[in-house]
Amino acid sequence: DAKTTQPNSMESNEEEPVHLPCNHSTISGTDYIHWYRQLPSQGPEYVIHGLTSNVNNRMASLAIAEDRKSSTLILHRATLRDAAVYYCILRAPNYGGSQGNLIFGKGTKLSVKP
Amino acid sequence: EPEVTQTPSHQVTQMGQEVILRCVPISNHLYFYWYRQILGQKVEFLVSFYNNEISEKSEIFDDQFSVERPDGSNFTLKIRSTKLEDSAMYFCASSDLPTASYGYTFGSGTRLTVV
Repeated sequence: DAKTTQPNSMESNEEEPVHLPCNHSTISGTDYIHWYRQLPSQGPEYVIHGLTSNVNNRMASLAIAEDRKSSTLILHRATLRDAAVYYCILRAPNYGGSQGNLIFGKGTKLSVKP
Repeated sequence: EPEVTQTPSHQVTQMGQEVILRCVPISNHLYFYWYRQILGQKVEFLVSFYNNEISEKSEIFDDQFSVERPDGSNFTLKIRSTKLEDSAMYFCASSDLPTASYGYTFGSGTRLTVV
């Protein structure tokens, strides 16, 4: 899986939007961009993923740059419960029946202030 | 919402003892994974499993580790002779398909403490 670069930490105020950046300049044309998060003392949790177009779900939005070399996870209104480590992960599609695996980096630790 | 269930939540064992960590993946998922996270470090891939056999494994997953799907619902990780450095959170995950267009669902983990 290609490498991603994320800030080590970010701070946000409760009820404000949060934009978590991720750089992936070596992304290949078929790599998917996945975001997971890990709340304190819990397992990782799937947040969202996309390929080329921006994506929205109930948890967040994913904005993908036109050249796909960067992406941004958007939490529209941060809550205290959103304090977690957020991981941006690239995944190649699996062809030919072989399985890939999710490779976690260090992620961005998001703190949310009341 | 369907969950991946792991038991026990915390296990303490003596060095050299065998431990079995248990997981119940989501019922219609076919692909299963184990990850571990040593305190303060990254989440690390251990092994993936499909159709009753290992699909991929990392360098961490040596001969001391084994996985099994003993029945239609459980997925287990066995460590034959535990070492102090095996102390970590162990996470089980499952997915519908292994392709990158699908996400994984993780359990809450088992904290293994080797003393």
